[in-house]
Amino acid sequence: EPEVTQTPSHQVTQMGQEVILRCVPISNHLYFYWYRQILGQKVEFLVSFYNNEISEKSEIFDDQFSVERPDGSNFTLKIRSTKLEDSAMYFCASSEVRIGQYFGPGTRLTVT
Amino acid sequence: KQEVTQIPAALSVPEGENLVLNCSFTDSAIYNLQWFRQDPGKGLTSLLLIQSSQREQTSGRLNASLDKSSGRSTLYIAASQPGDSATYLCAVSGTASKLTFGTGTRLQVTL
Repeated sequence: EPEVTQTPSHQVTQMGQEVILRCVPISNHLYFYWYRQILGQKVEFLVSFYNNEISEKSEIFDDQFSVERPDGSNFTLKIRSTKLEDSAMYFCASSEVRIGQYFGPGTRLTVT
Repeated sequence: KQEVTQIPAALSVPEGENLVLNCSFTDSAIYNLQWFRQDPGKGLTSLLLIQSSQREQTSGRLNASLDKSSGRSTLYIAASQPGDSATYLCAVSGTASKLTFGTGTRLQVTL
């Protein structure tokens, strides 16, 4: 069964460094999303992406964040200058149409 | 702003018991509702999706119902098993496709 994959599974970085989290959505899906979950808290929406542009973003998704679909298969989330409070589990999701999102296993980001 | 609440926050039941998890949302203008399962440190597995025009969905021992007008959904798990132990998340989407999640119900099924 097709699935969303994410790399790396765990990323440790120092405050102020740039990180890129990678995702490979399900191949025929057209809608792509990033969510995050700080330990012990709710899963929060960051951004949605469709037709090569951002369709919606949350207040969390400020100028430090960017997304890109550099080729036909990858979908990336970049954090330009990481802060301690960026430590969280980051989930990528995709959907074929606007409903029914499938989530990847997540990347645990630890900022020290 | 949509708010999603799940009750109870945690639940412990003996194996074989039937149980109900509750989800409520403040804005009834939803497009669909999804129930997910999350194992510790893992990703989210979609269990059931109910579109706004539907009243319920079933998959195996799971049944989810939706009462959009009252802003409520329930997830019914029949004949619970230790392997059902996980956190169950409810999420709703409006006309935009983003999901708004609840805080989850942590379920433990004991032998």
